[in-house]
Amino acid sequence: DAGVTQSPTHLIKTRGQQVTLRCSPKSGHDTVSWYQQALGQGPQFIFQYYEEEERQRGNFPDRFSGHQFPNYSSELNVNALLLGDSALYLCASSIDRVLGFEAFFGQGTRLTVV
Amino acid sequence: QKEVEQNSGPLSVPEGAIASLNCTYSDRGSQSFFWYRQYSGKSPELIMSIYSNGDKEDGRFTAQLNKASQYVSLLIRDSQPSDSATYLCAVNVRSNYQLIWGAGTKLIIKP
Repeated sequence: DAGVTQSPTHLIKTRGQQVTLRCSPKSGHDTVSWYQQALGQGPQFIFQYYEEEERQRGNFPDRFSGHQFPNYSSELNVNALLLGDSALYLCASSIDRVLGFEAFFGQGTRLTVV
Repeated sequence: QKEVEQNSGPLSVPEGAIASLNCTYSDRGSQSFFWYRQYSGKSPELIMSIYSNGDKEDGRFTAQLNKASQYVSLLIRDSQPSDSATYLCAVNVRSNYQLIWGAGTKLIIKP
C-alpha cells in the first residue's frame, strides 16, 4: 500500500519565479491538505482540498494556489517567490469523516528560494 | 496566547526510562488530538491519536487526554535512542478542517 508521495523532494528557485509541487495521497484517502513548515516551528496550514474544491484556507496570500484532480492527487502552486517562502512543504492526506481525521504526511518538498 | 503550546526542550531522558511530553491547548472546541514524531529533516509521522478523556495505549506509547484541564500528554516507556526526535502535538477543532500545531518538543534519549 503506497503512502503519500510528494515530488520533487528538493527544489531551488530564484526569487520571483513560480513553482509547482505535487502530491499523491494514500490509497483510499480523498482529502489533501498542504502545510508549510519553517525550521524549528510546527507546520502552518495553507489549504485543504476535498472533492476538487478548496474547502478551507489558512492565512496565506493568494500567491499560494492549488488544485485537486479527480484521482485525488493535488498540486500546490506558488507564484512570485519570496526568500521567505523557503521552507519544507508538506502534503497530508486523510479520509473525510465527521469526527476526527488521521492525517498522513508525504516526505515533503524542501524549497529553497535564492 | 498560542493555541497549542509545548515546551520546546530539549528534554533529555536516560535510555530505558519513561519520557513524558506535554501539550496544552486553548480552544475548548478541540475534539481530536494527535502526536507526531519528526526526525530532523524528515516529515511528521503519526504515532498516536486520541479523541476522548483518559488513556490510550499502543505498544510503548500512551496518550493521555484531559479536556477539563485542556492538556494532552504522551508517555514513552522504555525509551530507546531511536526515540530521539521532535514530538509535535496537533489539535483539530470542531467544524474546522485544519490541524493546529505546537512548535514541538525535542527529545534526546541518552544511551
